[in-house]
Amino acid sequence: GGIITQTPKFLIGQEGQKLTLKCQQNFNHDTMYWYRQDSGKGLRLIYYSITENDLQKGDLSEGYDASREKKSSFSLTVTSAQKNEMAVFLCASSIKQGGEQYFGPGTRLTVL
Amino acid sequence: AQSVTQPDARVTVSEGASLQLRCKYSYSATPYLFWYVQYPRQGLQMLLKYYSGDPVVQGVNGFEAEFSKSDSSFHLRKASVHWSDSAVYFCAVSGNNNNRIFFGDGTQLVVKP
Repeated sequence: GGIITQTPKFLIGQEGQKLTLKCQQNFNHDTMYWYRQDSGKGLRLIYYSITENDLQKGDLSEGYDASREKKSSFSLTVTSAQKNEMAVFLCASSIKQGGEQYFGPGTRLTVL
Repeated sequence: AQSVTQPDARVTVSEGASLQLRCKYSYSATPYLFWYVQYPRQGLQMLLKYYSGDPVVQGVNGFEAEFSKSDSSFHLRKASVHWSDSAVYFCAVSGNNNNRIFFGDGTQLVVKP
């Protein structure tokens, strides 16, 4: 088996601040994803990457950047934190196109 | 367009009762279908998946789901729920022509003692 690790678990930032969330997986999966989950809501896809150095925009990419410098890691940057984007950010990976995704525990973002 | 509809935002059942959570999908190619569960303050965990073959698939903890092509549905069932099944359940669809999975909005299951 494998595991997905997300750091930090809790992230507190000031409005307008640039913030980075990190995700590591040891499944050796090709595809990785970043989702945003607002309180009590479903998942919205921010970015995904089908291989190292690849980036694909999801439905909610505005205000975010992503980076996939290694196969095992995928970072998400909130370019200018806003109070209305306080949410849980979930990272996931999958071995193949359309296959089942494995999720990390999430990073909870609070913006003051 | 690819989408998943879970018509029930919240379902309440008594412990020991049977359960069905509904899921309808729209997908332009042959679908892969999934059910995920999310316990409080955790990520999602896959319960079961359907790729092809027998339309009834078994998952963990006594859950099963049935694929219906004619109805574009993939409903989740359990014969007897336990209080620990209280969680949010997400239905999802993808296919072998796409890297994305499309998730429904989730159904919150509350199991009363």
